[in-house]
Amino acid sequence: GQQLNQSPQSMFIQEGEDVSMNCTSSSIFNTWLWYKQDPGEGPVLLIALYKAGELTSNGRLTAQFGITRKDSFLNISASIPSDVGIYFCAGQQPNFNKFYFGSGTKLNVKP
Amino acid sequence: DSGVTQTPKHLITATGQRVTLRCSPRSGDLSVYWYQQSLDQGLQFLIQYYNGEERAKGNILERFSAQQFPDLHSELNLSSLELGDSALYFCASSVGSGAPNEQFFGPGTRLTVL
Repeated sequence: GQQLNQSPQSMFIQEGEDVSMNCTSSSIFNTWLWYKQDPGEGPVLLIALYKAGELTSNGRLTAQFGITRKDSFLNISASIPSDVGIYFCAGQQPNFNKFYFGSGTKLNVKP
Repeated sequence: DSGVTQTPKHLITATGQRVTLRCSPRSGDLSVYWYQQSLDQGLQFLIQYYNGEERAKGNILERFSAQQFPDLHSELNLSSLELGDSALYFCASSVGSGAPNEQFFGPGTRLTVL
């Protein structure tokens, strides 16, 4: 099946630092979504991207849809303790309905 | 609160048993998706329904089945349960079926098979 490679697997950072994570695929996607999941909760949609090259912000979060349509990036600026959680990327291929999820990036923020 | 509801929140049962998980999508959403998340794992897509019809299938076992009813709520049936079926099961909904498509997730049902 389709594989999304998400990296890094985990990150340990100091409060105030910026964070970057990315997802890559061997196939072209026409939609990229970024989610955050807190322990025992459902994923919460952070940012949706629908066009190659698109750069979208949501507060301190910025995500980009790669030009090749095979990757996406999520940046978090000036991290705070409540940013702790697992971040998932999800991609949807053209002409297919299902989404593929990355394996997640576990973010730890030290106050 | 995403607007997607799932019941029950927790379910504990024994191997060999059958359970039904329920999901109500956000108001106005026609698509429902089911996902399985095992401990410390990513989300595995199981199945999608759109307006009552099956639209896409993922890695869903033959022991599992789902349906979407005329009022658009959906049920996921898990039978002949095994220890390995213990996981969080999430339902998500979206307005349409294809792209663009933003899925909103429910709080999940934690299934424990003993």
